[in-house]
Amino acid sequence: DAGITQSPRHKVTETGTPVTLRCHQTENHRYMYWYRQDPGHGLRLIHYSYGVKDTDKGEVSDGYSVSRSKTEDFLLTLESATSSQTSVYFCAISGPPYAPETQYFGPGTRLLVL
Amino acid sequence: SQQGEEDPQALSIQEGENATMNCSYKTSINNLQWYRQNSGRGLVHLILIRSNEREKHSGRLRVTLDTSKKSSSLLITASRAADTASYFCATDGDTGTASKLTFGTGTRLQVTL
Repeated sequence: DAGITQSPRHKVTETGTPVTLRCHQTENHRYMYWYRQDPGHGLRLIHYSYGVKDTDKGEVSDGYSVSRSKTEDFLLTLESATSSQTSVYFCAISGPPYAPETQYFGPGTRLLVL
Repeated sequence: SQQGEEDPQALSIQEGENATMNCSYKTSINNLQWYRQNSGRGLVHLILIRSNEREKHSGRLRVTLDTSKKSSSLLITASRAADTASYFCATDGDTGTASKLTFGTGTRLQVTL
């Protein structure tokens, strides 16, 4: 399972509150990604990281920020959650020893914003 | 914008039959991948085909790629109940070292006994 965990696995929060989701990996993979999955949209890339303190935006980055202060942790923050951010969030990794193009996914975090 | 569109959206077959799913995409790609997602779980990589390949096999999986038509198909032969899942195609057209995938909307496969 590529040693990826996500926390929390489920969260209910209110509109306007900050939320931080954590992705933790145990195998020192260089690349980490955050996706959201919504019905009818498949998975969409929010942000990704190519190293410690090196991050970049994906397709749907508005309203989200990320940080990666150490190799094993990639944090996704919703500064002020909105109902449109209700979704299932997946973290993924890629890089050696796996094929560079292949991504391995965590179990997901289900977020409900009321 | 969604790169990949999958067809059909849902497919129901009986165990032992073959299942075929199709994926169309819009821009040039380096490779195309297929992933499986069981209900409530993360995605699992199945197979990758590069833009200079036309067909690839892995066990009961057969993937084809037609870059002129910007389309791919995934064939699962002799389906089993355990193949019940959603299947997604994902394209990677970026030239950078990060694998920034663009996913399709998925095909839900139901395999009944």
